[in-house]
Amino acid sequence: DAGVIQSPRHEVTEMGQEVTLRCKPISGHDYLFWYRQTMMRGLELLIYFNNNVPIDDSGMPEDRFSAKMPNASFSTLKIQPSEPRDSAVYFCASSLEGLAVRGTDTQYFGPGTRLTVL
Amino acid sequence: AQSVTQPDIHITVSEGASLELRCNYSYGATPYLFWYVQSPGQGLQLLLKYFSGDTLVQGIKGFEAEFKRSQSSFNLRKPSVHWSDAAEYFCATKAEYGNKLVFGAGTILRVKS
Repeated sequence: DAGVIQSPRHEVTEMGQEVTLRCKPISGHDYLFWYRQTMMRGLELLIYFNNNVPIDDSGMPEDRFSAKMPNASFSTLKIQPSEPRDSAVYFCASSLEGLAVRGTDTQYFGPGTRLTVL
Repeated sequence: AQSVTQPDIHITVSEGASLELRCNYSYGATPYLFWYVQSPGQGLQLLLKYFSGDTLVQGIKGFEAEFKRSQSSFNLRKPSVHWSDAAEYFCATKAEYGNKLVFGAGTILRVKS
């Protein structure tokens, strides 16, 4: 299996521009997670989906952020308009069943997208 | 709410020396605990996990961790460190509700030759 695939790996944009990050989860996984990693806040969960449905978006910082999962093999995280404080590494992860079902279910992480907003 | 504390931001060890990375969690019931490793420019990879049973857990790459309820700890150990172990290590626990993982701040491991 190719693992979780994210694109682009690096994104540099200017403040005010729209940014779209993409994720392809591992085939057959029912859960998809978006995380953000910064020096100040560490790793924080932004949103997660179960069977393409958003379940918990309480970590989404503000309305400028939106996430979709139109089908089981694709998800996007969009920032519009982007701001310099959005600069971070964004990770996508997927898991088979979810921790609430089986507490030890493993989340598999993609390589991340390093976003720089100038 | 659950929290995970990794007291050491950076640790430097010599190649071949033993390693112990500390992790403390806050939660009442038996927690689900994880250790992940992040190599530079890479995503997180699961090293090992604990949910019940034997309190000494074996993982990949020669790592092990011991769950100690009395100390609310889940420390990661390796008897002999290799230069390729240089990375950032994250301890995590399942949140009380839902499918969230709560991560510690991470410990950066440097290996000197």
